[in-house]
Amino acid sequence: GAGVSQSPSNKVTEKGKDVELRCDPISGHTALYWYRQSLGQGLEFLIYFQGNSAPDKSGLPSDRFSAERTGGSVSTLTIQRTQQEDSAVYLCASSDDSASDSPLHFGNGTRLTVT
Amino acid sequence: KQEVTQIPAALSVPEGENLVLNCSFTDSAIYNLQWFRQDPGKGLTSLLLIQSSQREQTSGRLNASLDKSSGRSTLYIAASQPGDSATYLCAVMDSSYKLIFGSGTRLLVRP
Repeated sequence: GAGVSQSPSNKVTEKGKDVELRCDPISGHTALYWYRQSLGQGLEFLIYFQGNSAPDKSGLPSDRFSAERTGGSVSTLTIQRTQQEDSAVYLCASSDDSASDSPLHFGNGTRLTVT
Repeated sequence: KQEVTQIPAALSVPEGENLVLNCSFTDSAIYNLQWFRQDPGKGLTSLLLIQSSQREQTSGRLNASLDKSSGRSTLYIAASQPGDSATYLCAVMDSSYKLIFGSGTRLLVRP
């Protein structure tokens, strides 16, 4: 079966433009996570969805960042008025629920470059 | 606030050697601990998950242990191979189902 799919794989945008990143989780997975990985850095938690609701938005860096999930499936991460410091790899992961025995499955990420 | 630390940051070993990667965390209130590997330019691949009630998990040449009370986990790799070269990441799932990652150990296995 298909794994977690993210699109686009690469995105170059000019400072000040808005971007939308898409994540297709594994079918049937109810939990979905977004992380950010800057060059040479660890993974920074952004937001977590259980179904369509986001119990934990604490990691979103600013109000320029938002995310939604519809139909308990696809999720989009939107960054408005992009800044150069937003350049990073954005990783999405899903698991079949948030129970303690479900590992996360990651996509290959979207590499965002803000020029 | 949960913090996860991995030691060493980088490791280079000759092929065939057994090795241990270390992970420590500051808050023992966790649901599970997970080990991942990340190859350059790729996403993360899940290796092992240890639930908070468990002490260890094994998969092939990999064995992970968990000592929740002391906030430590180790990943043991037996008979290392060049294909094991990657960054290994440790992560703990906290009480709000957030997975908190360490900075990783970059492993190079020399032929």
